Amino acid sequence: DIQMTQSPSSLSASVGDRVTITCQASQDISNHLNWYQQKPGKAPKVLIYDASNLGTGVPSRFSGSGSGTDFTFTINSLQPEDIATYYCQQYDKLPPYTFGQGTKLEIK
Amino acid sequence: QVQLVESGGGVVQPGGSLRLSCAASGFTFSLYGMNWVRQAPGKGLEWVALIRNDASNKYYADSVKGRFTISRDYSKNTLSLQMNSLRAEDTAVYYCAKGRIAVDGSMDYWGQGTLVTVSS
Repeated sequence: DIQMTQSPSSLSASVGDRVTITCQASQDISNHLNWYQQKPGKAPKVLIYDASNLGTGVPSRFSGSGSGTDFTFTINSLQPEDIATYYCQQYDKLPPYTFGQGTKLEIK
Repeated sequence: QVQLVESGGGVVQPGGSLRLSCAASGFTFSLYGMNWVRQAPGKGLEWVALIRNDASNKYYADSVKGRFTISRDYSKNTLSLQMNSLRAEDTAVYYCAKGRIAVDGSMDYWGQGTLVTVSS
């Protein structure tokens, strides 16, 4: 199975900061990676699909990059409503599909 | 608009069974693979099962293989998860999630979830 290593596990930043989360796959997954945002008590919402494509209605301050084994998720100019836990998830070839451990983002 | 509404969660004793349902609307159900994903209290996300758009293939996480069965009813646009031999570690919120066309594992819409608690 493909393992996803996401870091950091938690992050504290100020409004307006640039925030970066990384995810590393245990083998080449091409660009088959999503980034999700999950707010407390809510279902996950896809922000980025295929590593770098912005989801429908997602603000442009969110972006993703990478291919192969190394991926980056960035929030430019952090907003208060961005407080959430963020997950990467790979969907290369056949299941099992695996998620990163999550990054809990807080406002400093 | 796409809607996924789960139901069927509740409290069940260890070794018991439960059947979850997910009512789908707002898209052509027969064109998309469908997934179940769960989240234990305070924990991360765990993919559980996938059924292809035409039900030709079904896949399961090792943790549920042989105990859970995923199925779909095209006449009712409903996804189901039959859960048998439940264990305490199956306690979680269970989400149904729609795949993107031809990319089953890329989940673009999720339901609100239904809580399953396995406890004596």
